[in-house]
Amino acid sequence: EAQVTQNPRYLITVTGKKLTVTCSQNMNHEYMSWYRQDPGLGLRQIYYSMNVEVTDKGDVPEGYKVSRKEKRNFPLILESPSPNQTSLYFCASSLSRGWGRNYGYTFGSGTRLTVV
Amino acid sequence: DQQVKQNSPSLSVQEGRISILNCDYTNSMFDYFLWYKKYPAEGPTFLISISSIKDKNEDGRFTVFLNKSAKHLSLHIVPSQPGDSAVYFCAASGSSGGSYIPTFGRGTSLIVHP
Repeated sequence: EAQVTQNPRYLITVTGKKLTVTCSQNMNHEYMSWYRQDPGLGLRQIYYSMNVEVTDKGDVPEGYKVSRKEKRNFPLILESPSPNQTSLYFCASSLSRGWGRNYGYTFGSGTRLTVV
Repeated sequence: DQQVKQNSPSLSVQEGRISILNCDYTNSMFDYFLWYKKYPAEGPTFLISISSIKDKNEDGRFTVFLNKSAKHLSLHIVPSQPGDSAVYFCAASGSSGGSYIPTFGRGTSLIVHP
């Protein structure tokens, strides 16, 4: 089944403790992206990648890092999490540079992160 | 500044009636528009899209209308069903330096009452 898999689904952590949220897709998509969803703010892009070893900042990159060493994986790294990073995170992938203009992104099921 | 606006955070509709979800945009460079549907505890899923060369696109019970002069699009669901209860995100994209990364609105929560 074609899918984007995120892990973990739920995570509670303490301020300052480094964490990584993994994202993997099995569709051979070149383009991958991370979003966070907050109440009243919708989906905001954190980072995106257009190919292996090619990453760029989205709208809200502060406090996050990403890497794209392989095509299928795009982990999101929080080096020193803070409470304002408590959010619902989604990874998404797309086949083409059009970012799914004809068929949309494929999103993962989300990671609910709480930083205390 | 929001480039894609969904001014109604929520909408309540009776089963069988029409649901109309609205979206406005400000960037004239946007030329492709998409709607996503999101259930709780799931990621958004693509619903329907429209190119700026069209003013209407229909897929079953879902129709998207685009009014370019008003920079406005709407999603019509007819007839509405309880299973349509979800958050709907409007997204827009256009070539910006060769990138078509979409911009999302804040979402509208639709509740369809049986």
